[in-house]
Parts: sequence; structure tokens; C-alpha cells
Amino acid sequence: DTEVTQTPKHLVMGMTNKKSLKCEQHMGHRAMYWYKQKAKKPPELMFVYSYEKLSINESVPSRFSPECPNSSLLNLHLHALQPEDSALYLCASSQELVPNYEQYFGPGTRLTVT
Amino acid sequence: AQTVTQSQPEMSVQEAETVTLSCTYDTSESNYYLFWYKQPPSRQMILVIRQEAYKQQNATENRFSVNFQKAAKSFSLKISDSQLGDTAMYFCAFSYGGSQGNLIFGKGTKLSVKP
Repeated sequence: DTEVTQTPKHLVMGMTNKKSLKCEQHMGHRAMYWYKQKAKKPPELMFVYSYEKLSINESVPSRFSPECPNSSLLNLHLHALQPEDSALYLCASSQELVPNYEQYFGPGTRLTVT
Repeated sequence: AQTVTQSQPEMSVQEAETVTLSCTYDTSESNYYLFWYKQPPSRQMILVIRQEAYKQQNATENRFSVNFQKAAKSFSLKISDSQLGDTAMYFCAFSYGGSQGNLIFGKGTKLSVKP
């Protein structure tokens, strides 16, 4: 199984809502990533977890809160988002947090903030 | 700072023909890795091909091959016998030891394969 799954596929939320994005992989990977991707742009790294510990936080606003409950699961909690946060949110995983390993991407959650 | 440049925002090719996507990068690192990722419309991103900087031999994966010119810091992707399913956004990406696995992406090249 080389699949990274993400739920929901689409999410529309108001600026005062609280919602969560979920990402799951069963490949035994120990590194997991959240990216934000705007239309026709490359993915921008937000957070990286390695062995369930936050390893990289790319100065992301606190309205985004990541969580890694176990080695297979990654959540992104959203609160008080802004319209400019509307984007495709991608999750990825790799065997380890080392530079030569392939990252496996999920299909993404299309987020619209109204 | 590491940078990746893809100078072709869009390209098109006829089915069954060959196309080359260009990528240049800038780094002072000696040990690094280069990747081409493909993102089809509304589908997930997948790895196309990977090259280790210390390897002189160019990587190949079926119809996909790279021309890695380390001195010129160039890493182009050649797609032979293009197929309609090759229509996608292609991202060149770079990582190195200090990046902790973080991928540095180019801006992407949108490839359209026409029947």
C-alpha cells in the first residue's frame, strides 16, 4: 500500500469556524508533511513531523495547528482562517526525514474560506 | 540559499513525440538530490525520477530520462513517446542534507500533450 489518504476532499468554512484536516498513511513512514498549494504554484512547506515530533514549522500563523497523534496519522486544525488561506492542502509522507527519500503525496483537501 | 528555476511556464507536445523540460538550480552544497515530480490535473503528485548528485550516470525510468549536468547545475527531463496521460504540471525539486528532507520546488512547467 503506497497510498496517502486525506479527508475531506473539499471543505468550505467561515472565518469563525473550527475545522480539521486529516491525513493517513500505512506505509510505516516516520516523516509526515503538510504543504499549502495555491493554484498554478508549487507546494509550500508548512510543517514536518519526524517520529511524531514537530521537526519543522515554516513560520506558519497560529491559526494553523498541526497534530501527530500516532505514526500513521497527521491532523491540521484550522481556526479563524482568512480568505487568503483558501488553497489546496497537501499531506505527504516519506520513510525518514532524510533528503534522498521520495515523498508520497495525498490527493489534497481543497479548502475555501468564506 | 538554494534555488530551483524552471524557465518554461508552459509547453506542449504532440502525442508520440519527445519533449524536454528544463531545470537549473543553484547551490553550494556538494551532496544533494534532484527530483522531478508530476501533478496531473486534479490528481495527486507523484515522483517521476530521482538523481543523486554524486552519481554521474543519468537516471532513467522507462520513457523518462534526465540530463544531469552537475557543473552547469542543470537537470532537464526528457519524455520520449509522449502520451496523453503525461499531461500534467511538472515540478523540479531539490533537497540536501541540511534541508532535513525539505523539498525546494521550482515554479513548475505545465505540459500539454496533444492528440
